[in-house]
Amino acid sequence: GAVVSQHPSWVICKSGTSVKIECRSLDFQATTMFWYRQFPKQSLMLMATSNEGSKATYEQGVEKDKFLINHASLTLSTLTVTSAHPEDSSFYICSAREGTGRDTEAFFGQGTRLTVV
Amino acid sequence: AQTVTQSQPEMSVQEAETVTLSCTYDTSESDYYLFWYKQPPSRQMILVIRQEAYKQQNATENRFSVNFQKAAKSFSLKISDSQLGDAAMYFCAYGYNDMRFGAGTRLTVKP
Repeated sequence: GAVVSQHPSWVICKSGTSVKIECRSLDFQATTMFWYRQFPKQSLMLMATSNEGSKATYEQGVEKDKFLINHASLTLSTLTVTSAHPEDSSFYICSAREGTGRDTEAFFGQGTRLTVV
Repeated sequence: AQTVTQSQPEMSVQEAETVTLSCTYDTSESDYYLFWYKQPPSRQMILVIRQEAYKQQNATENRFSVNFQKAAKSFSLKISDSQLGDAAMYFCAYGYNDMRFGAGTRLTVKP
């Protein structure tokens, strides 16, 4: 299957700082990318959907100004956690779809563990 | 809104035996996809199997098969000849564009 790479795999940052997580589709062009958050021993919760060249669509309850998403190219989407606080500590996972057709599969990155101290 | 329910937080199976993981969902749409994903300790999401709602035939993928009951909105996963490597979290998911996940079932395989 296609490969989606997230970077970094883990990051520790100080409270109040911002951290950027990258999601890249390595061997296909991703029209749509999705960002999920997973708390320990819990399920994946969709945070936002990003389409290349347009603004991201955020799920209800997700702060747009805190979780900035940019999908500047067909192979890269970034999630920036601004003014991070310890409660933002979590596992963040992205997924990417090659097209918009009903038969296109979503491929997942390996995730990024964010710890805010 | 679409919801996905996995009522079994944990399941256990003996190696080489068969286990079934349950999943129900709620939707008003008629055209959609259903998925089972495996998440091992590495936390990489691995697609196990998927089912297209308009297809009546149950999907199969080697030792993995589903029982898709559209009218009942049920989508269970059967793992045959369980192996130690099958031990993981299993998530049922509903989706077409975005994807909604159930709470997950932790599967333990006993040698």
